[in-house]
Amino acid sequence: NAGVTQTPKFRVLKTGQSMTLLCAQDMNHEYMYWYRQDPGMGLRLIHYSVGEGTTAKGEVPDGYNVSRLKKQNFLLGLESAAPSQTSVYFCASSQQQGTQYFGPGTRLTVL
Amino acid sequence: QKEVEQDPGPLSVPEGAIVSLNCTYSNSAFQYFMWYRQYSRKGPELLMYTYSSGNKEDGRFTAQVDKSSKYISLFIRDSQPSDSATYLCAMRGIDPRYQLIWGAGTKLIIKP
Repeated sequence: NAGVTQTPKFRVLKTGQSMTLLCAQDMNHEYMYWYRQDPGMGLRLIHYSVGEGTTAKGEVPDGYNVSRLKKQNFLLGLESAAPSQTSVYFCASSQQQGTQYFGPGTRLTVL
Repeated sequence: QKEVEQDPGPLSVPEGAIVSLNCTYSNSAFQYFMWYRQYSRKGPELLMYTYSSGNKEDGRFTAQVDKSSKYISLFIRDSQPSDSATYLCAMRGIDPRYQLIWGAGTKLIIKP
């Protein structure tokens, strides 16, 4: 039982490049979330999903897109990376509004 | 003004001390209160979960909610170096449409 996994763990991009972060959970959770964490800012919700095929905007959605084609996977895409998107990205999942279980994070640097 | 305020620290205390971590909030609709612990370069993990007002104890940890003052606390007794981490508070209302609102986290350092 791996819980929540994220790939990749680290990535360096140049401004304007695109990439996709993958989150997978094996707990059969309905809800999945993407957060970014910056120093002094805490966790900020980017997008979330309340079930397969659904997505919704969080607090800071601009510059990101998401997809939830399968219940166990939640993808976060950056179409044209900017230095302001340098951050640590965390995926989480939960059963409805219960406890959120987090992945280990992806450290992204945009040059 | 942020909905949830949390002193970022760092808070440095000697091993064995009682630690008090706090968050204040402005939204009186919040009913569920959580404390997460985050070790360096790891994802947050749930430590304590309380509903409405009152105290909840789990081993060396006690979570306290004072809704009249819009103030929550996490107490750690007999603190250990392994307790060194960042502690984040999070809270939400009863309506399941509402997402968690997070504090910025307090970095705690327990000195041996």
